[in-house]
Parts: sequence; C-alpha cells; structure tokens
Amino acid sequence: AQSVSQHNHHVILSEAASLELGCNYSYGGTVNLFWYVQYPGQHLQLLLKYFSGDPLVKGIKGFEAEFIKSKFSFNLRKPSVQWSDTAEYFCAVNPSGGGADGLTFGKGTHLIIQP
Amino acid sequence: KAGVTQTPRYLIKTRGQQVTLSCSPISGHRSVSWYQQTPGQGLQFLFEYFSETQRNKGNFPGRFSGRQFSNSRSEMNVSTLELGDSALYLCASSTGRHPRSYTFGSGTRLTVV
Repeated sequence: AQSVSQHNHHVILSEAASLELGCNYSYGGTVNLFWYVQYPGQHLQLLLKYFSGDPLVKGIKGFEAEFIKSKFSFNLRKPSVQWSDTAEYFCAVNPSGGGADGLTFGKGTHLIIQP
Repeated sequence: KAGVTQTPRYLIKTRGQQVTLSCSPISGHRSVSWYQQTPGQGLQFLFEYFSETQRNKGNFPGRFSGRQFSNSRSEMNVSTLELGDSALYLCASSTGRHPRSYTFGSGTRLTVV
C-alpha cells in the first residue's frame, strides 16, 4: 500500500515570503499526485495535480509543484504568499492504474501567514 | 455545474445508534468515494462506488457500509456508533475514468455523544 509523508505539520510565514511544503510518497509503481487546500471552514479544493508529462505542474492561485521521481517527492511551492493563503494543505497520491485504497493523504500542513 | 452536495451538514447521535449520510456527485460523475477526517488520523479512505458497485474499500470495520443508486447518489451508513466515529465525513466525486481527479463536498460533521 502507498503512504504519504508531509514533513512540516505547522509553518508560519510572513506575507511575501516564499513557500515550499514538502511531500514524499512511498509506492512501488506509477502514481497520480495531488495537492489539496482546506481553508478555514471550507471544503477541500484541488490546487494542482500531476498525472504524467512535464514534472513541473502549475495550479491555481500561483501555486506550483515539482514531481521528482527519483526522490519520490512532490513539493508545493509559491514564490510570494499572501495572508489569504492561511489554510491546511494536503498532499495525496493514488496508483495510476487505479486499484485499491482510493486517495492516500498526508497528515497535512497547517500554514499560517502573518500580515 | 452544481458541485458535490452532502447532507446533512451536521449530525449529533448517541452511542449505539446508526446514521446515514448522503452524497450527490457532480452531474455526469459516476464514481463516489468516502473519506473520514479526524484530527488524530487525518483523512482516511473508506470506500469507493462506481456504477452502483463497491470498487475499493479502505481499512474500516464492517459497521461502515455504503451503497450507490442508479442516479449515482451515494449513501454511507454507520451502525452501532462509537465515540471514536465522531469525525468529518467527506464525499468525493469523480468521472470514474483514468486518470481520476476528485472533487470534494463540504462534508457532514458527525458528533457521537
């Protein structure tokens, strides 16, 4: 079965700082990769996804992520954060060929942006 | 296009009771999957339905069950509720075709007392 590890549980940054949230996965085959965001009191929203092709993926709200296959990583980045980026961020994975277990999520990173 | 609709938004139940949660996927989506979100365990996959058939199942006891109707709406049932079942239950909608992308509903907050 696959697993996902998000290294930072809590991150505090000032506005305009650059952001990088780490995500590593464990799985023996090819995977689809996702980043979701959960704003306070709201539902999970898809930020970006990687299925195949260019390993640098651009998402909504200025976020991007890079898939590094050799490192089993899919880190999320944003060059300049805003106060409105305060939220919980989840990395998720599922096998490319489908199969069991649905989406496997990391434990999440709680991001706080200070004005 | 309407999003994923989950009802009810909030529920309070007593230990030992059973509960049924509902999820209507995005129009045209044939796959519905369910997740449990708790502060301690995070987001965990419960099961997935496609065309009225359970396709995948996570590691949860048999008290957790579900079904899907011909219009793709899905229900999740939890019998003999325990305090530990208190959680946010999320439903995700997908076309069911590869590669799959998932759209989540707002969830049902279940509190067991």
